[in-house]
Parts: sequence; structure tokens; C-alpha cells
Amino acid sequence: EVQLVQSGAEVKKPGESLKISCKGSGYSFTSYWIGWVRQMPGKGLEWMGIIYPGDSDTRYSPSFQGQVTISADKSISTAYLQWSSLKASDTAMYYCARSQGYGWFDPWGQGTLVTVSS
Amino acid sequence: DIQMTQSPSSLSASVGDRVTITCRASQSISSYLNWYQQKPGKAPKLLIYAASSLQSGVPSRFSGSGSGTDFTLTISSLQPEDFATYYCQQSYSTSMYTFGQGTKLEIK
Repeated sequence: EVQLVQSGAEVKKPGESLKISCKGSGYSFTSYWIGWVRQMPGKGLEWMGIIYPGDSDTRYSPSFQGQVTISADKSISTAYLQWSSLKASDTAMYYCARSQGYGWFDPWGQGTLVTVSS
Repeated sequence: DIQMTQSPSSLSASVGDRVTITCRASQSISSYLNWYQQKPGKAPKLLIYAASSLQSGVPSRFSGSGSGTDFTLTISSLQPEDFATYYCQQSYSTSMYTFGQGTKLEIK
């Protein structure tokens, strides 16, 4: 079974750093793009960026360029999303998802809730 | 950037109704259009890819159509489990995928 399993919920203070993870299993991790999607409380889906673990080619939405870093460690089939200095406005659910074919996402991880509060 | 606009933003319907949700792209995206369903507290689920291909395991009452800039998701006969929020997503621009703002389907 193809699965993406994300790391658990996080509670952080403004200014702190954070790295959340997304571990793939049941398929060749290096052969598919992995995307990250933000969903702020009560809001819609926002595409953040995407990485190809095979060669670490990474693309960012202009809205998130410079705000987050996407990376991957193919030796452990894991993709990451990280912040160097969190803001309260980063409070959201973050999903990873595997990109297939011409860019549709399936499956999705279960989501990681990030709460940033002083 | 390619903008995706869904209509309506919300919709009330009854079990058994036929429902259509529309998604419009700001420029032609050929058939690079995908649809997802999201229920409260859950991750999105792929329903339709490449505008009209039904994802494996998705009931046949769901269908998609369109190409270029105008697309539709149709549910032929609403079931209780279909009340959710639906999103379109364009995958034409390989460095900048975008989602529509969502359509919340509620029980009338």
C-alpha cells in the first residue's frame, strides 16, 4: 500500500524553528514528486512547493519562496518542510502528497498541525 | 500565475439531487485539471484527474468534464457521504500548481 505518514502535531513559539516530516512507503520514493500544501484554520488549500527526491529538484510557490525550505532524504524516504523563524500566521495544517502523472496528488499524508503561539 | 475560480462557493442540496460545480482557469490549461473532496478533519481525497478520469475506488456518480478554461464536476445523485468541500487544482504550470477556493456542499 502506498502511504505517506507525517510527523505529529507541533506547538511552537514565534521565532522558533521547526522541521516537519513526511515518510513515504510502498513505492519508489525517488521516482515521484512530493508536494506540500497549507490549510489555514477554516480556509482552503494552498500549494506551497514540490520536490523530486531523486535529484532534490525543488520548486516553490512565489507566496512561499523564502518563507520555508523543502528538502528530502532519499536514504530514509522522507521529505521535509522547515521554517527558520515561525510566525503566528504559520499556524495551519500542513499536508504532504505524492504527485502523479500530470500533477495530480494522491495519496495524501494525514496532515501535521502546527500551532504558533506565544 | 494561473488563477482558479470555483463557483458556487457554497451550495445546499438534497440527497438524490444532481449537482454541478464549476471551475474556471485564468488561461487555458488543456486538461490539466484535478478534483478533490475534503471532509472535516480529514486530508483531501483525489476524485477526478486529467479533467475526466475517475480515480480508482471513487463511485461512478462522480464525473468530470471540460478542457481549456472551463471545467465541471458533477455528482449525479447525491449521497449522504458526499456532503463535503470540493477543490479543483490545475497542474498545467509545473512549477506553480494552484487550487480553487473550494465549494462547500451542504445538506438542504
